[in-house]
Amino acid sequence: AQSVSQHNHHVILSEAASLELGCNYSYGGTVNLFWYVQYPGQHLQLLLKYFSGDPLVKGIKGFEAEFIKSKFSFNLRKPSVQWSDTAEYFCAVKPTSGTYKYIFGTGTRLKVLA
Amino acid sequence: EAQVTQNPRYLITVTGKKLTVTCSQNMNHEYMSWYRQDPGLGLRQIYYSMNVEVTDKGDVPEGYKVSRKEKRNFPLILESPSPNQTSLYFCASSLSRASGANVLTFGAGSRLTVL
Repeated sequence: AQSVSQHNHHVILSEAASLELGCNYSYGGTVNLFWYVQYPGQHLQLLLKYFSGDPLVKGIKGFEAEFIKSKFSFNLRKPSVQWSDTAEYFCAVKPTSGTYKYIFGTGTRLKVLA
Repeated sequence: EAQVTQNPRYLITVTGKKLTVTCSQNMNHEYMSWYRQDPGLGLRQIYYSMNVEVTDKGDVPEGYKVSRKEKRNFPLILESPSPNQTSLYFCASSLSRASGANVLTFGAGSRLTVL
């Protein structure tokens, strides 16, 4: 079955620390990849997306993610986190054919200490 | 402003009392879907719709119904709610399911408690 794994469920960092959140998916075909962020009390917002082309994609607020096809991974990175990055982060996969479904990971709660 | 609007935002109800959570988008999106968010389980898709009168089950459809009579609206119906349907519900839409046009726009969420 198609699935998305986010290995880190809870991450606590100090401000200015570097961040990397893992995301692996299981699907053999072509996919679109997304990271969504949910700030406390708010709805999900798109952080960044990958459709095709350059596997290193940049999103809002200094986030970036790298698609490594051979590893079925789409890890999220930020060189220096801020307190305002405290949120829950969801990786999502959308196969480009064969299904209309989006598959979300279970989320990673990030807490940044000031 | 382009948005997905859900109502109600908060609801406490009792077991067996039918309820409907409305969802409306003003972006002329073809694709709409419903998710529930539970701690430790992330977002799970309940139902989705590719266009008017075209709907299909997601991963957790039991106990839910949907309809898509108009392009802009996609209500979620709980015919006989049970406590295990206590959750945070999100409606989302995208222009289409096609690659490059499938970024989801989410509503603000509806927190439902079933006693």
